[in-house]
Amino acid sequence: AQSVTQPDIHITVSEGASLELRCNYSYGATPYLFWYVQSPGQGLQLLLKYFSGDTLVQGIKGFEAEFERSQSSFNLRKPSVHWSDAAEYFCAVWGSGTYKYIFGTGTRLKVLA
Amino acid sequence: EAGVAQSPRYKIIEKRQSVAFWCNPISGHATLYWYQQILGQGPKLLIQFQNNGVVDDSQLPKDRFSAERLKGVDSTLKIQPAKLEDSAVYLCASSLGGTGGNTGELFFGEGSRLTVL
Repeated sequence: AQSVTQPDIHITVSEGASLELRCNYSYGATPYLFWYVQSPGQGLQLLLKYFSGDTLVQGIKGFEAEFERSQSSFNLRKPSVHWSDAAEYFCAVWGSGTYKYIFGTGTRLKVLA
Repeated sequence: EAGVAQSPRYKIIEKRQSVAFWCNPISGHATLYWYQQILGQGPKLLIQFQNNGVVDDSQLPKDRFSAERLKGVDSTLKIQPAKLEDSAVYLCASSLGGTGGNTGELFFGEGSRLTVL
């Protein structure tokens, strides 16, 4: 079955520190993977996506993510977090066989000044 | 380019009443999604349209929820009668889509927040 797991519900980091948000997926074939960010009271905005090719993808706002097939993971990273990065982050998978776009439960990021 | 428009932004109703939400996707986007996002949870797909046809409505509670996209453009999601557990944000999203499914970015509206008392 197609699914997405984000094991960390909340993460707190200090401004300027590095960040890694974890995402694990389950899908029988090569998935299409996405990270979205949601600020309070707003809709979701795409940060980056992986379809094929280079397993390290760059996104907006200085974020990057690495697709690791052996780990079934697509972790999001940022070298230095800014206070404006405080938001909720969602990992999503689209299945070419199911046509379903499934979201994880999200990780809420808090940034300490 | 105009984004995905949703209305109303906020709605408060009592249980057993009805409510309708409207969504106008980005012009030219063939695929339209309605998601339910309960506080503290990720978006849950309710229904997916490809033009005016339903691709997936397996998680839509059909005894109380209905949705339509009659002309393949804007869409309406209705809840009748509402229950307390329907309190959530209802997100509409669209994508370019096309035959064979969608592989690209979803563009989201700001959502419609429903409170059922």
